Amino acid sequence: QKEVEQNSGPLSVPEGAIASLNCTYSDRGSQSFFWYRQYSGKSPELIMFIYSNGDKEDGRFTAQLNKASQYVSLLIRDSQPSDSATYLCALPGDSNYQLIWGAGTKLIIKP
Amino acid sequence: EAGVAQSPRYKIIEKRQSVAFWCNPISGHATLYWYQQILGQGPKLLIQFQNNGVVDDSQLPKDRFSAERLKGVDSTLKIQPAKLEDSAVYLCASSGVVGYTFGSGTRLTVV
Repeated sequence: QKEVEQNSGPLSVPEGAIASLNCTYSDRGSQSFFWYRQYSGKSPELIMFIYSNGDKEDGRFTAQLNKASQYVSLLIRDSQPSDSATYLCALPGDSNYQLIWGAGTKLIIKP
Repeated sequence: EAGVAQSPRYKIIEKRQSVAFWCNPISGHATLYWYQQILGQGPKLLIQFQNNGVVDDSQLPKDRFSAERLKGVDSTLKIQPAKLEDSAVYLCASSGVVGYTFGSGTRLTVV
């Protein structure tokens, strides 16, 4: 059974620094990965999708995928207080269009 | 495009009462999901519909939870009777080309 693990945190990072969030997964055959951001009291929103080894950059966000070590990371450069949220990692499950979710890492950016 | 619509936003009920949630997915999205998210945890899939058929309801507590999507568009999720442990946010999502789009969720408190 596919599993996704994340450190629940909270991860506290000073404003302007790089926040690094990690996610490990159990199924070596997993091909694609999603990062969602969830503000307190809000629904998850998709911020990054990565399906190939290496880095994918989108503004201040960089997703890094290492299939050999079975982890995917999300880096947030120049962290802002508005980045304070829970970040959820997810990957496709065995059934069509299903996602397997991690528990999320709570990120706190301190001004 | 319009997002995933959910109602109500909040609901407080006493244990053993019944409650119903409504969801209207993004137009054209054939796949609809109901998730339960307990505070501090990742979303847990309750049921997945493809058009008006059930794809996966393996984690739905069928003795008290039911869901339907009669015309392949909007959907309702019902709990009867509710228990204290059902207190959670109930998220509806529909899937597009990449990832999911979530509705705003219904926060249920059972007292």
